[in-house]
Amino acid sequence: DGGITQSPKYLFRKEGQNVTLSCEQNLNHDAMYWYRQDPGQGLRLIYYSQIVNDFQKGDIAEGYSVSREKKESFPLTVTSAQKNPTAFYLCASRLQSLMNTEAFFGQGTRLTVV
Amino acid sequence: DAKTTQPPSMDCAEGRAANLPCNHSTISGNEYVYWYRQIHSQGPQYIIHGLKNNETNEMASLIITEDRKSSTLILPHATLRDTAVYYCIVRVFQDRGSTLGRLYFGRGTQLTVWP
Repeated sequence: DGGITQSPKYLFRKEGQNVTLSCEQNLNHDAMYWYRQDPGQGLRLIYYSQIVNDFQKGDIAEGYSVSREKKESFPLTVTSAQKNPTAFYLCASRLQSLMNTEAFFGQGTRLTVV
Repeated sequence: DAKTTQPPSMDCAEGRAANLPCNHSTISGNEYVYWYRQIHSQGPQYIIHGLKNNETNEMASLIITEDRKSSTLILPHATLRDTAVYYCIVRVFQDRGSTLGRLYFGRGTQLTVWP
């Protein structure tokens, strides 16, 4: 079945360590997105990519980095520069077209930094 | 993109219709209304979207007022599994640039369906 997969579901890291969250999709979608969600809050955009080897900063990109070497993959690295990394991270993908298309979301990765 | 306003919480009896309101008074002519829902600790799930006509699919109905400044998502026969946070979002029709990237999800409405 086609879909978007995030791994792992839960992740624990020590403060000061970089950590990379995986996001893979086999939907042949062009666009991929990373959001962060804090308790009781909506989703905030971290980074997005509309094509391979290209990506743009979202609203809260500081302390994060991404790469888009393959269409199917859009990993997010949470660096030690991110002041409050503990959060629920969501990856999404979407088919780019002139028609309205909905976004498909992964099941999320809950990162806890101790 | 236009911002939206939703009540923080609502509840509904199982089997009854759940009507979730959304205000988007600053919506532009080319902005669509989208609804997503998020069950606790999962990714958001697309429900429905529309521009100005009412829409219906297997999950829900979307009623948009004539002036497009508000809309209502209707779950005709709510079940316990419909308990979730429901987000009303507006986004620009055209696909260029970062239209999805600028979606503002807000805090949504926590719908609780009780037996």
